[in-house]
Amino acid sequence: GAVVSQHPSRVICKSGTSVKIECRSLDFQATTMFWYRQFPKQSLMLMATSNEGSKATYEQGVEKDKFLINHASLTLSTLTVTSAHPEDSSFYICSAPRFRQGVYGYTFGSGTRLTVV
Amino acid sequence: GENVEQHPSTLSVQEGDSAVIKCTYSDSASNYFPWYKQELGKGPQLIIDIRSNVGEKKDQRIAVTLNKTAKHFSLHITETQPEDSAVYFCAAGRGEGYSTLTFGKGTMLLVSP
Repeated sequence: GAVVSQHPSRVICKSGTSVKIECRSLDFQATTMFWYRQFPKQSLMLMATSNEGSKATYEQGVEKDKFLINHASLTLSTLTVTSAHPEDSSFYICSAPRFRQGVYGYTFGSGTRLTVV
Repeated sequence: GENVEQHPSTLSVQEGDSAVIKCTYSDSASNYFPWYKQELGKGPQLIIDIRSNVGEKKDQRIAVTLNKTAKHFSLHITETQPEDSAVYFCAAGRGEGYSTLTFGKGTMLLVSP
């Protein structure tokens, strides 16, 4: 239980185009979704926090107009990388906090490898 | 904000040996400390976690210890196997109000046959 399905797993796009990444909670309601970016051989860095029905909160240095986050339902959060450039190439991971049997934890998606050429 | 330090960055062991990875944190309000295993090209997988009301937790070959006074926690893997080779991340968080986790920089564990 407590699965977050993330798609696509890999995407290659041309510079200047936009890419949408989806994260769906399959068996629980995700009122909050964390979006991370991970560069090669580095740790996960929080980009933004999305909350269902409200605007996302972005970490310092993350361009909100470039990384558009939508959390329109309790089971779907999306990250759109607009006007992608090669420096946006990275591994993007979503994570949803959840309570399960009275215990608090986090469920991670399987990640999306974005390559901008 | 929270700051998590993780050591070592790389750890090489022989199959059957034990491996220990250590983390320290700065926010005394943190009370949830998970450990994740990440294989190449995949998302993090929770392997064990500990909350501030316990000092040690064990699950087969994996154990985690927590010292809240010193603000450090450690991952112990016994009888290592080649399939344990991966990057391991520690994290810390408040475990409430849907607050985020802060991750350590990761440890690449290499288990040689």
